[in-house]
Amino acid sequence: GAGVSQTPSNKVTEKGKYVELRCDPISGHTALYWYRQSLGQGPEFLIYFQGTGAADDSGLPNDRFFAVRPEGSVSTLKIQRTERGDSAVYLCASSFRGGGSGANVLTFGAGSRLTVL
Amino acid sequence: GNSVTQMEGPVTLSEEAFLTINCTYTATGYPSLFWYVQYPGEGLQLLLKATKADDKGSNKGFEATYRKETTSFHLEKGSVQVSDSAVYFCALTNFGNEKLTFGTGTRLTIIP
Repeated sequence: GAGVSQTPSNKVTEKGKYVELRCDPISGHTALYWYRQSLGQGPEFLIYFQGTGAADDSGLPNDRFFAVRPEGSVSTLKIQRTERGDSAVYLCASSFRGGGSGANVLTFGAGSRLTVL
Repeated sequence: GNSVTQMEGPVTLSEEAFLTINCTYTATGYPSLFWYVQYPGEGLQLLLKATKADDKGSNKGFEATYRKETTSFHLEKGSVQVSDSAVYFCALTNFGNEKLTFGTGTRLTIIP
């Protein structure tokens, strides 16, 4: 597609529920990233995929958070037993390739705003 | 570890004023430096970048110079417009990993 698409744009759930957030990256982009942005803060890294595999998941806050990218394109971020502190905007980004140069330009989606009541 | 400190907002300026948003960083090695912008209702967009010392990134009238000696990457624009109203984020990555480390963002409002 023309850009990175994230669904849903807004999700309100109750504490303890399970949530899935979807990211559809730019076609042909092999690298995909998830970030979390809390109110008044900059985005914080969660996980990075190169192809189908998670190359770096060091930012996932705990084992309630999990992400998959089974076919190397669409990715799903899964949050179990949601807590009020999980409320944030979850951002997805993709780039043409990873490669570790540190200079790759990421294209971000508009984000999924999660509110846990 | 890596960190980015940027000027606290909000910043309010009149149209055609000169803009500076300060950004300093802490990182090992030779980071790449970025400014991202988030317009109301839109996703983060890359504004400009610089990948080595003394490089100047520029776009849409904005400029920032990678200063290794002062570990800074200040954003400047000579004459701001109402359409520049947005939140600006300074960020870095290090060679060998793909993690962007962001500052907390600076909200800029330009008044006609």
